[in-house]
Amino acid sequence: DAKTTQPPSMDCAEGRAANLPCNHSTISGNEYVYWYRQIHSQGPQYIIHGLKNNETNEMASLIITEDRKSSTLILPHATLRDTAVYYCIVRSYGGATNKLIFGTGTLLAVQP
Amino acid sequence: DSGVTQTPKHLITATGQRVTLRCSPRSGDLSVYWYQQSLDQGLQFLIQYYNGEERAKGNILERFSAQQFPDLHSELNLSSLELGDSALYFCASSAGGTTLRFNEQFFGPGTRLTVL
Repeated sequence: DAKTTQPPSMDCAEGRAANLPCNHSTISGNEYVYWYRQIHSQGPQYIIHGLKNNETNEMASLIITEDRKSSTLILPHATLRDTAVYYCIVRSYGGATNKLIFGTGTLLAVQP
Repeated sequence: DSGVTQTPKHLITATGQRVTLRCSPRSGDLSVYWYQQSLDQGLQFLIQYYNGEERAKGNILERFSAQQFPDLHSELNLSSLELGDSALYFCASSAGGTTLRFNEQFFGPGTRLTVL
């Protein structure tokens, strides 16, 4: 699975949009981009995933560049409860396993 | 609430001992995954079971073993415990085969193991 690069930390003001970047320059054609988050010591939580089209759900939006080498997770109106470590993971579809390989993630701190 | 349950929540034991962590997946999920999270190693995949059979292995030590039972619950056995085994152990479950387009993992609350 391709490796990802994320900034170690980011700040965001409450009520503003949080834009979390992820680089995955070695992504291959059958690999999806997934985002999970982990709120302090809780189990990770699935947020969203996509292949090449932009995706939106009730939690967030995922913007993937045309060359698929990078993506941005957008939390449209961040709240204090969104403070967490956000993991960008690239994973192939249809492989032998759905195991997740977590990197170090981005610690998003939402400030009041 | 993810629907995945793990017991116990906390476990304190001594070096050299053996412990068993238990996981009940979401209703209907066939796959169970175990992950370890320690301060120095981050979140690491240990092992996956699918419908009772081992599907994938990650950085799991030989002192550790797991199994998935016919009712689909899973147990992670840790033996000859060392100080460095102190960590959060998460179980996750997903619906099943890798060809499903939406096959995301739902994580339990974890078991915090402290080895003294």
